[in-house]
Amino acid sequence: ETGVTQTPRHLVMGMTNKKSLKCEQHLGHNAMYWYKQSAKKPLELMFVYSLEERVENNSVPSRFSPECPNSSHLFLHLHTLQPEDSALYLCASSQDWWDHTDTQYFGPGTRLTVL
Amino acid sequence: AQKITQTQPGMFVQEKEAVTLDCTYDTSDQSYGLFWYKQPSSGEMIFLIYQGSYDEQNATEGRYSLNFQKARKSANLVISASQLGDSAMYFCAMRPNFYNQGGKLIFGQGTELSVKP
Repeated sequence: ETGVTQTPRHLVMGMTNKKSLKCEQHLGHNAMYWYKQSAKKPLELMFVYSLEERVENNSVPSRFSPECPNSSHLFLHLHTLQPEDSALYLCASSQDWWDHTDTQYFGPGTRLTVL
Repeated sequence: AQKITQTQPGMFVQEKEAVTLDCTYDTSDQSYGLFWYKQPSSGEMIFLIYQGSYDEQNATEGRYSLNFQKARKSANLVISASQLGDSAMYFCAMRPNFYNQGGKLIFGQGTELSVKP
């Protein structure tokens, strides 16, 4: 596998369910990101991890819980979500999170539907 | 405030013709990066091209080129010889200096390009 992979690609869950999204990068990068893309809205940055440490949390509700066990893997744990959380969740990685010349590479996304 | 504006919600282009997608940005930083991404209907965000604020020459990557006009704060994407597979959403993004918003990648609203056979 190359690049950034995400599983599952599609997820339907009820508001009381607990599920997790998984992201894996094969690029040897130090930084990983979670983005949310809702319909008709620009991408919203949710979390940034650098070398397994969270460096940014953009006022994301606590029902979203990220985990970064190592620099290649990133998870987003979901619990008691709301229908408005239905969106495309994109994972990305880059070499250095602080460098403005640094390119972020994205995974294929998980399309989440909350019933 | 850091902002990216893409004024063309949707565009059509004939196959094999060139097309320009507009992007203007607002920043007070001297150092920043500009990026274009393509998002097909499958959802994946594909990196296309990068331009640094201090780069004197316009960036090119195959059929993609970036028309960078720093004084006008514009970074238009030019796609030459359009192909049917170019039909997708295109996003312009800017990454300001780290000391401004932590170098967060800021996206525009996107332009939906449709290539006609």
